[in-house]
Amino acid sequence: AQSVTQLGSHVSVSEGALVLLRCNYSSSVPPYLFWYVQYPNQGLQLLLKYTSAATLVKGINGFEAEFKKSETSFHLTKPSAHMRDAAEYFCAVIPSYLSSGSARQLTFGSGTQLTVLP
Amino acid sequence: DTGVSQDPRHKITKRGQNVTFRCDPISEHNRLYWYRQTLGQGPEFLTYFQNEAQLEKSRLLSDRFSAERPKGSFSTLEIQRTEQGDSAMYLCASSSGRFREETQYFGPGTRLLVL
Repeated sequence: AQSVTQLGSHVSVSEGALVLLRCNYSSSVPPYLFWYVQYPNQGLQLLLKYTSAATLVKGINGFEAEFKKSETSFHLTKPSAHMRDAAEYFCAVIPSYLSSGSARQLTFGSGTQLTVLP
Repeated sequence: DTGVSQDPRHKITKRGQNVTFRCDPISEHNRLYWYRQTLGQGPEFLTYFQNEAQLEKSRLLSDRFSAERPKGSFSTLEIQRTEQGDSAMYLCASSSGRFREETQYFGPGTRLLVL
């Protein structure tokens, strides 16, 4: 079974500082990987996804993530944090080898709450 | 494209009552998912529809839960005889397209509180 581990349930950074949110996956075959953001009382919005093309993936709002097979990681970064980045971030996986009729449900990590300090 | 909508956004009910939630997916999306999210956790998969067919159900979906998607459009999730442990955010997502291009778009969720 696939699983995702997000290290650090809470991360605080100063405005303008580097954001680094960690995600490691557990799978014998590299899965497809996703980062979603959730603002208070809202649903999830896709930031970016990796589907075995380029290992460095650029997403919305200045975020990017790098797939590293040797480290089974897909960490999310942003060079300069903004106050509006404060939210909860979820890493998720889907197996990359599903048959056409299978459910493609996402398996999520437990989330990282990002606080941006002024 | 008006996005995925869910109704109601909030529901407070007493233990033992039945509740029903509705999800309207993005039009033309043939896949629809229900997830449940408890406080401090990521969403967990409940069930999946491809068009009107319910193809997969999680072990989390007890006999008190039932979901439908008549005519492959909107979907409903009903919980019978609610329990306090059912308190959670219920999220709906829809998608379409080939596997590698597929993206699940989430609705705002229905937050359920069982007293």
